[in-house]
Amino acid sequence: DVKVTQSSRYLVKRTGEKVFLECVQDMDHENMFWYRQDPGLGLRLIYFSYDVKMKEKGDIPEGYSVSREKKERFSLILESASTNQTSMYLCASSSRTGAYEQYFGPGTRLTVT
Amino acid sequence: AQSVAQPEDQVNVAEGNPLTVKCTYSVSGNPYLFWYVQYPNRGLQFLLKYITGDNLVKGSYGFEAEFNKSQTSFHLKKPSALVSDSALYFCAVREWTGANNLFFGTGTRLTVIP
Repeated sequence: DVKVTQSSRYLVKRTGEKVFLECVQDMDHENMFWYRQDPGLGLRLIYFSYDVKMKEKGDIPEGYSVSREKKERFSLILESASTNQTSMYLCASSSRTGAYEQYFGPGTRLTVT
Repeated sequence: AQSVAQPEDQVNVAEGNPLTVKCTYSVSGNPYLFWYVQYPNRGLQFLLKYITGDNLVKGSYGFEAEFNKSQTSFHLKKPSALVSDSALYFCAVREWTGANNLFFGTGTRLTVIP
């Protein structure tokens, strides 16, 4: 089974703090993704990566950056957290072959106060 | 461009009754379609996919989905709903440009009433 893990289930940070969210997958997938999920808005893609050291902006990249130094690990960075970044953050991975279905981690619920 | 519509934000069904969660799509290229389920405070779990072949696709937990090309629909179904099926359901379509990402609908909350 594909396993995608995220570093924290719940996180509380203060406005202005730098926040790191980490994601690790164990299936040697090429593609990795970061989404945020908000009620009524569904999933919105923040960034994705299709290879080590490669990154592409998604639909809402403002206020975020990412890092992919190793194939299995994809980090999301909030440079200066703001209250409007309070959300559920979901990491996913997929293979570059087949149907491209994505496999998700358990999510990190981030609260910025 | 691709899009996915889940026309119902909320679906209520009595336990033991059949359930349907609706999804329509628009995509340029062959439709690769997916259903995911999300339980409270959890990530999304893959349920099933349609790539090609039979229009009726079977997936996890007794769910199935019917692909209808003429109606551009991919409705999720289950013959007999369980209370434990109560969750948020997302339909997704693969895009055929760029990185071939998935494009998700906004979700439908299913509540199964005992």
